[in-house]
This record gives sequence, structure tokens and C-alpha cells, in this order.
Amino acid sequence: GEDVEQSLFLSVREGDSSVINCTYTDSSSTYLYWYKQEPGAGLQLLTYIFSNMDMKQDQRLTVLLNKKDKHLSLRIADTQTGDSAIYFCAEYGGATNKLIFGTGTLLAVQP
Amino acid sequence: DTEVTQTPKHLVMGMTNKKSLKCEQHMGHRAMYWYKQKAKKPPELMFVYSYEKLSINESVPSRFSPECPNSSLLNLHLHALQPEDSALYLCASSQDRQGTYNEQFFGPGTRLTVL
Repeated sequence: GEDVEQSLFLSVREGDSSVINCTYTDSSSTYLYWYKQEPGAGLQLLTYIFSNMDMKQDQRLTVLLNKKDKHLSLRIADTQTGDSAIYFCAEYGGATNKLIFGTGTLLAVQP
Repeated sequence: DTEVTQTPKHLVMGMTNKKSLKCEQHMGHRAMYWYKQKAKKPPELMFVYSYEKLSINESVPSRFSPECPNSSLLNLHLHALQPEDSALYLCASSQDRQGTYNEQFFGPGTRLTVL
């Protein structure tokens, strides 16, 4: 199937690290993406990782990929209130040649 | 210019109206997309244009009619919509549809309400 699963909700305190998890199903996916969506807005591309990589770091963001378990995670260091949003993972390539989005995780950052 | 713009931002229409949503990008991208997003749900792909030709139609009802007049513009013509079509309509573009060129950049969306 094409289900990409994420936990619904994550609450953290300002300054802590956040870890958002994603489980995908298509082992032939070539690229995996993280998007951020603030209320009433479009999707902002945060980062992506190619399937032959295990880790990618981009400033406060760290992406980890475990291909064996089809598990992707996004770690946000020093989480700020401006990071409050819905985060979607997405997989691309493989069987569908389309971007398949995860169910989304609402990140709430408490001051 | 690294933006995808969409107009209008909000649209309210009756079930007998005809309206159009517009999307524009000036990044030289050759693939453009329409997505529909209901509240608290992920975006769902509707249409894909590649080099100004329709390459994917995800079995979308004919009351939605896409058009790609040139490589920078994408329209979505709406006619005889139903209240359940109320949603956020997102446009996206990517350099191409292959490999790293598939990074999709999204516009801010049009919030559509059908009465």
C-alpha cells in the first residue's frame, strides 16, 4: 500500500529538541521529504534526503533514515514557538512516481 | 523569483457558479501540480502537468478542469461544484519530475468555500 504514517501530535517545551517520526511503505522510494505547514498557509519544503543516505543535517534540522525499517525522522534542535506547525513527511519515486504525503504531525511548542 | 503565487486567496461560490483558480511561477519549472487539502488531512494530488501536457489525472470529477496555457501558468476551472469540494487548493511546481528535480515548491493556496 501507499500509507505513510505519522503520530498525530507532539508537544515540547521551547528550547527542547523535537523528534517527529514517519513510517513509509514503498521501499523503492528514492527521495523522502519534510514539509512544514503553518495554519492557513501552503507547504514549505524544509529538507529532503536521498534514499542512499542515512543522515542529513541542515542547521537545526537533522534527518535520519533507516531504510531497513522504512523509518524516517526529523529532529529539530532548540525548538522555538515559531516551529509550531503541522509537519508532513513525503516519499517520492518507486512505484507511483508521485509525492505521497504522510498523515501529518501537529507540533505544539510551549513557552 | 523563487515563489509560487496563487489567486485568489479566498473564494466563495455557489453550486451553479463558474470560477477559476490561478497559479503562476517564474522559476523556469516544467512540472506543475494541483492538490486538494481538507482540514487536518494531507494534500491529495489532483493533476500533474509536465512540459505543458497533462500527465496525471487522479480520477478527478469533470467539474474540475485544469489548463496550462504556458509553462509559467496553471489554471483550475471550476463549474457546478458541490459543498464537499470546499477545501484548500494548493498549486506546486518542480523543475522536472525526475530525481532531485522533483523538489516541489508550493503556493499559499486558495481557500474555497462552496455554498
